[in-house]
Amino acid sequence: GENVEQHPSTLSVQEGDSAVIKCTYSDSASNYFPWYKQELGKRPQLIIDIRSNVGEKKDQRIAVTLNKTAKHFSLHITETQPEDSAVYFCAASNSGGYQKVTFGIGTKLQVIP
Amino acid sequence: DAGVIQSPRHEVTEMGQEVTLRCKPISGHNSLFWYRQTMMRGLELLIYFNNNVPIDDSGMPEDRFSAKMPNASFSTLKIQPSEPRDSAVYFCASSLETGDYEQYFGPGTRLTVT
Repeated sequence: GENVEQHPSTLSVQEGDSAVIKCTYSDSASNYFPWYKQELGKRPQLIIDIRSNVGEKKDQRIAVTLNKTAKHFSLHITETQPEDSAVYFCAASNSGGYQKVTFGIGTKLQVIP
Repeated sequence: DAGVIQSPRHEVTEMGQEVTLRCKPISGHNSLFWYRQTMMRGLELLIYFNNNVPIDDSGMPEDRFSAKMPNASFSTLKIQPSEPRDSAVYFCASSLETGDYEQYFGPGTRLTVT
């Protein structure tokens, strides 16, 4: 089955700096890579996703990159703000059959004002 | 739509007691997922359903855990008997289909077993 590894487990950055979270996956059949954000005491919510037919996707201050050859993908947050403080989960899945989404262990991001 | 609804939001029970967690998915969603979240193990998938049929229950930790989805609008996760190590936040999520669709999580049930 799919295995998703995520690092770092914790990340502290100064407000305004950039943050990068990296993930690797094992199943070459995976073609869908969502990122979820979970604020303290709240539920995980999708913030951005990328499919294997593109290498990069941006949405305002967040961007995701995908390297299918190396089987890794990353989340980039620019100009970080205190409200970006949360746990971020990467995940992998594919569109074939009854596929589940496999989540990484999560990265706790702290943005220091 | 009200989103995914879970009940109860908090449950405190004694070891050995039966616990039942409930979930109402978003109307029209065909897939439903049960997760357990702990600090040590992160977000673990326990079981998921598609069109009310269990697809993969390999994440269910042991026979003390069982899940049902009798219809498209209701699912339960039961722990019998409960143990202190079952203490965690249990999330239910639903999506249009399995695979490459956004999952919408419920607010979670925080379970404490003493």
